[in-house]
Amino acid sequence: GENVEQHPSTLSVQEGDSAVIKCTYSDSASNYFPWYKQELGKRPQLIIDIRSNVGEKKDQRIAVTLNKTAKHFSLHITETQPEDSAVYFCAASIRLVGGGSNYKLTFGKGTLLTVNP
Amino acid sequence: EPEVTQTPSHQVTQMGQEVILRCVPISNHLYFYWYRQILGQKVEFLVSFYNNEISEKSEIFDDQFSVERPDGSNFTLKIRSTKLEDSAMYFCASTRGAGQGSYNEQFFGPGTRLTVL
Repeated sequence: GENVEQHPSTLSVQEGDSAVIKCTYSDSASNYFPWYKQELGKRPQLIIDIRSNVGEKKDQRIAVTLNKTAKHFSLHITETQPEDSAVYFCAASIRLVGGGSNYKLTFGKGTLLTVNP
Repeated sequence: EPEVTQTPSHQVTQMGQEVILRCVPISNHLYFYWYRQILGQKVEFLVSFYNNEISEKSEIFDDQFSVERPDGSNFTLKIRSTKLEDSAMYFCASTRGAGQGSYNEQFFGPGTRLTVL
């Protein structure tokens, strides 16, 4: 089955610096790659996603890149702020039987990002 | 904004007991999922449910587990005879579903922390 590796497990940056989190996946059939942010004690929330037919996507200070050939994708956060501190999870997904939007997410282990003021 | 809700937030049970974890997905969503996260480990896919049947389950989802959508709003996960290793955070998620070829965000609930003693 799919395996997703995520690095680093912890990342500490100064406010205003950039943060980069990297993930690799194993199954070339994976075609959708969401990133979730989870603040302490709260639910995971989608912050950005990318589909396999796109190489890069940006939303304000957050960007994601995908290299299908190398099977890796990365999250980039620029101008980090203390409120960016959280655990970030990458995921790769494969569409399931039933079509439509039925797919299962395989998650990385998460990266604890700390932004120091 | 509508949210997935889960009850209880924390469940403590004795080994061998049955537990039922409850979820209320977002009302117009079509696809439903359970994931679990053992402390310090990855979020892992357990099962997906669509059109009143399981569409995919992981190897974790053995005969001790079952899911049900007993009415139009609730989605439950039952563990018949809990083991110590079932202790984890269990997340319910749902997706809107919008036809072939579409990708839609999986919205997560806040989780139920299950502790098996």
